[in-house]
Amino acid sequence: DVKVTQSSRYLVKRTGEKVFLECVQDMDHENMFWYRQDPGLGLRLIYFSYDVKMKEKGDIPEGYSVSREKKERFSLILESASTNQTSMYLCASSGAGATYNEQFFGPGTRLTVL
Amino acid sequence: AQSVTQLDSQVPVFEEAPVELRCNYSSSVSVYLFWYVQYPNQGLQLLLKYLSGSTLVKGINGFEAEFNKSQTSFHLRKPSVHISDTAEYFCAVIGRAGNMLTFGGGTRLMVKP
Repeated sequence: DVKVTQSSRYLVKRTGEKVFLECVQDMDHENMFWYRQDPGLGLRLIYFSYDVKMKEKGDIPEGYSVSREKKERFSLILESASTNQTSMYLCASSGAGATYNEQFFGPGTRLTVL
Repeated sequence: AQSVTQLDSQVPVFEEAPVELRCNYSSSVSVYLFWYVQYPNQGLQLLLKYLSGSTLVKGINGFEAEFNKSQTSFHLRKPSVHISDTAEYFCAVIGRAGNMLTFGGGTRLMVKP
């Protein structure tokens, strides 16, 4: 069974803290994605990576950075968390070769910044 | 660039009734279209996708969607819903030469007994 796992289901942090969200996939997928999900706005892409050490900005990269040192792991970093980054964060992965390949999603991390 | 509009944020329906969830998109290039479902406390999973060919696409759990190029729509339908279909549904689009999915705002389907 294919799997995308995220390190935490719920996370509470204080303003100004550095926050790491971890995502691991076991499908040997080349592509990995970080989305932010907010009510009424759907999912918005923060960053994606199509290979180890490669990354591209999505629609809303401001305030975030990412790291992909190994193929199976993709980390989202909030250098200095702010209250407007309170949200649900979803990680996804997909195989290479076609843009229409299915994306497989993790269960999400609900981050609250106080 | 693409955009996706899901016309209803919430759709309440009684069990065994038919349902249609509406999706319209805007794009200057040809696109691939998707519907994803998110059950409570879970990530998204693919329901169905339109790539080319027949405009009527069948997916999992008895859902189907019809691509209408002239109306730039991709509405999702099910002839008879179950309580277990209660979830949030997302329409998404990607340009055929693109690399980023664009999602709509989501429609919460609430099936009542």
